[in-house]
Amino acid sequence: AQSVTQLGSHVSVSEGALVLLRCNYSSSVPPYLFWYVQYPNQGLQLLLKYTTGATLVKGINGFEAEFKKSETSFHLTKPSAHMSDAAEYFCAVIPLGNEKLTFGTGTRLTIIP
Amino acid sequence: DSGVTQTPKHLITATGQRVTLRCSPRSGDLSVYWYQQSLDQGLQFLIQYYNGEERAKGNILERFSAQQFPDLHSELNLSSLELGDSALYFCASSVTTGLGDTQYFGPGTRLTVL
Repeated sequence: AQSVTQLGSHVSVSEGALVLLRCNYSSSVPPYLFWYVQYPNQGLQLLLKYTTGATLVKGINGFEAEFKKSETSFHLTKPSAHMSDAAEYFCAVIPLGNEKLTFGTGTRLTIIP
Repeated sequence: DSGVTQTPKHLITATGQRVTLRCSPRSGDLSVYWYQQSLDQGLQFLIQYYNGEERAKGNILERFSAQQFPDLHSELNLSSLELGDSALYFCASSVTTGLGDTQYFGPGTRLTVL
């Protein structure tokens, strides 16, 4: 079964530092990959997605992610963290041939002033 | 604002009761999805409707049912409620059922079962 693993349920970075949130998927066939953000008491908002084409995907709020087939990874990065980035981040996958969006367990990002 | 609306925002009820959660998709979206978010289970896909028809089923209990109406709004019915059904229930919508279609999420309904 297709699954997605997020390493680190909590990540803390200093304001201005690099943000790196890790996501690995299990599949022999490249799936569709997504990163969503959830701010406190709100729904999920799409940050970016990979379907086909360029493996480096740019999203909103300065985030980007790179699809690496050889590593089955889709890590999320942002060069410089801002206080407003504090939220929970979910990696999700839709395996080819399956329309069900499967979420990772989430990573709570804390920004240290 | 995603354009997806959900009502009510909060719902408090007792065990054994039945509740209905409502979702209005973004204008033009034909697909509606329901998800449950709880501390122990995380975010789980429940069910999807496309243009009034059930399209895909996930980890939805038999006590739960859903439907999508001709105006494309959807309702999730939860019956014989148990304490463990307390969770945040999200609705999402997308234009079609295309793989990779972006799903836009509503703000959720927080259900508390006492």
